[in-house]
Amino acid sequence: EAQVTQNPRYLITVTGKKLTVTCSQNMNHEYMSWYRQDPGLGLRQIYYSMNVEVTDKGDVPEGYKVSRKEKRNFPLILESPSPNQTSLYFCASSPTIRENTEAFFGQGTRLTVV
Amino acid sequence: DAKTTQPTSMDCAEGRAANLPCNHSTISGNEYVYWYRQIHSQGPQYIIHGLKNNETNEMASLIITEDRKSSTLILPHATLRDTAVYYCIVRVKGRGGSARQLTFGSGTQLTVLP
Repeated sequence: EAQVTQNPRYLITVTGKKLTVTCSQNMNHEYMSWYRQDPGLGLRQIYYSMNVEVTDKGDVPEGYKVSRKEKRNFPLILESPSPNQTSLYFCASSPTIRENTEAFFGQGTRLTVV
Repeated sequence: DAKTTQPTSMDCAEGRAANLPCNHSTISGNEYVYWYRQIHSQGPQYIIHGLKNNETNEMASLIITEDRKSSTLILPHATLRDTAVYYCIVRVKGRGGSARQLTFGSGTQLTVLP
């Protein structure tokens, strides 16, 4: 089954403790991205990757890092989480950057930083 | 990308057609209309997209007016599981797989009533 898988689904952590949210897709998609969703602010893009070893900032990249060492994986790294990064996070992928194609989203990771 | 305007909320009786409108009066000729939905806190789900012709798939139909300034998403036989926030998004043709960057507005909360 074609899917985007995020882990963990829920995470509570303390300020400053490094964490990684994993994202994996099994569709051989080139394009992957991370969004966060906050009440009243909608979904905002954090980082995106057009292919292996190619990443770029989205609209709200501060406090986040990403890497794309393999095509299927696109982890989101919070080196020193802060309470303002408490949010619902979604990973998305799509087949290619040159065609109008649908995006596939993961089920989300609800992160709480205390 | 063009801005879209959607009603904040709508109700629909189960089994009836749900017609969700979207205004995109500033749409340009190279922009597609996409529809996604998000069932409570789950990852957004692609529904359909179109350029100027009406489109239909197994989930819904998309009717785009001749001047392309508005569109309507039609769920022909709404069920309780269709209760979700529906997002109308306009994206430039050829700017790639829509995971590149989707600008989600506030959307329409559709509630299907038993």
